[in-house]
Amino acid sequence: KAGVTQTPRYLIKTRGQQVTLSCSPISGHRSVSWYQQTPGQGLQFLFEYFSETQRNKGNFPGRFSGRQFSNSRSEMNVSTLELGDSALYLCASSPTAMNTEAFFGQGTRLTVV
Amino acid sequence: ELKVEQNPLFLSMQEGKNYTIYCNYSTTSDRLYWYRQDPGKSLESLFVLLSNGAVKQEGRLMASLDTKARLSTLHITAAVHDLSATYFCAVNNAGNNRKLIWGLGTSLAVNP
Repeated sequence: KAGVTQTPRYLIKTRGQQVTLSCSPISGHRSVSWYQQTPGQGLQFLFEYFSETQRNKGNFPGRFSGRQFSNSRSEMNVSTLELGDSALYLCASSPTAMNTEAFFGQGTRLTVV
Repeated sequence: ELKVEQNPLFLSMQEGKNYTIYCNYSTTSDRLYWYRQDPGKSLESLFVLLSNGAVKQEGRLMASLDTKARLSTLHITAAVHDLSATYFCAVNNAGNNRKLIWGLGTSLAVNP
């Protein structure tokens, strides 16, 4: 069974640009969550999608958005990039909802210069 | 608001020794997770603890949960170098706005 796949693995962007990250969950999993991981703040929850609906959202500005498609694949978008957005973005999939065990992808390392 | 605290944040230990990592959380939760992360890699699920008194063991790692004390421990027995990694605990906040709240992680280095 294939794991959670995130693309791209590495990305370098310039301040002010926007970026789209992709996550394909484990087959059959309907919940996808996104996290930002930085050395100073640790893992912070961005949002969760379930059956194409955003179920939950963390405390991030509106520049961070996401969506989920009918095949459960999810994308997150960050607009007007800032230097502080440099981080490892992790996607996790779960069979049903957030309160079940989550399986993580390898992450996308975003560097904003 | 649910807060999760891990300690220590950094741990350097010798092979063969035992040690415990602690995870405290501030409000009621119905489940607690332990994950492992190797440098540059993703997070790997180690344990899911669902009830008070739950104890799970895998190899040299044993996790326990005390929901009354809002405390989980990850005990390492006779550490080996392969256990060097960062260990995270995460707690599900109860209620409608369910999400995982994470500790900052414990960076473990096991030295020969």
